[in-house]
Amino acid sequence: NAGVTQTPKFQVLKTGQSMTLQCAQDMNHNSMYWYRQDPGMGLRLIYYSASEGTTDKGEVPNGYNVSRLNKREFSLRLESAAPSQTSVYFCASSAVRWGGESYEQYFGPGTRLTVT
Amino acid sequence: AQSVTQLGSHVSVSEGALVLLRCNYSSSVPPYLFWYVQYPNQGLQLLLKYTSAATLVKGINGFEAEFKKSETSFHLTKPSAHMSDAAEYFCAVTRHYSGGGADGLTFGKGTHLIIQP
Repeated sequence: NAGVTQTPKFQVLKTGQSMTLQCAQDMNHNSMYWYRQDPGMGLRLIYYSASEGTTDKGEVPNGYNVSRLNKREFSLRLESAAPSQTSVYFCASSAVRWGGESYEQYFGPGTRLTVT
Repeated sequence: AQSVTQLGSHVSVSEGALVLLRCNYSSSVPPYLFWYVQYPNQGLQLLLKYTSAATLVKGINGFEAEFKKSETSFHLTKPSAHMSDAAEYFCAVTRHYSGGGADGLTFGKGTHLIIQP
């Protein structure tokens, strides 16, 4: 049981290049999320997918697109990378419990992206 | 929408001393609250969560937190700090109250805990 896996671990891009960050979970979770972490800012939600077939914008979606490929996989795409997108990106997943029960998110190890 | 404020970007305590990390939330409805820990170059690990079942919540590694509605607080404590507790700690709240809470978390900016030998 690997939990949440992310690839790649590190990436350096030039301004204007594109790339896709991959995320997969093997916990049969319905919901998946992408966050970015910047120094002194905590984690901020980029996009989320509450269930397979749906995606929605989070707090900071500009410059990103996502695809929920299937229940296991949720990718994040940077179409034209900018230096402001230099960050550490975390994918997370959770089992949504409807009816008021709490849930927690499980995080991957992160992708450290530098845009020059 | 909910929000979280963590007081103190850095907290330094001596080994064996009490650890107190502060978190205040803003919410118009009963929130779901979480504390996560992040060790250097790693992802986030859940320490504990508040689900409205009990106001005093016990988590892993000897940590606990108390939910105080009147103070809108969810402070994290540990009676005796250990060198291995040195890490970044994040308080988080569900973004919007909903039955499933599937629309993500809002995080505080984090508190870096330093343990002095």
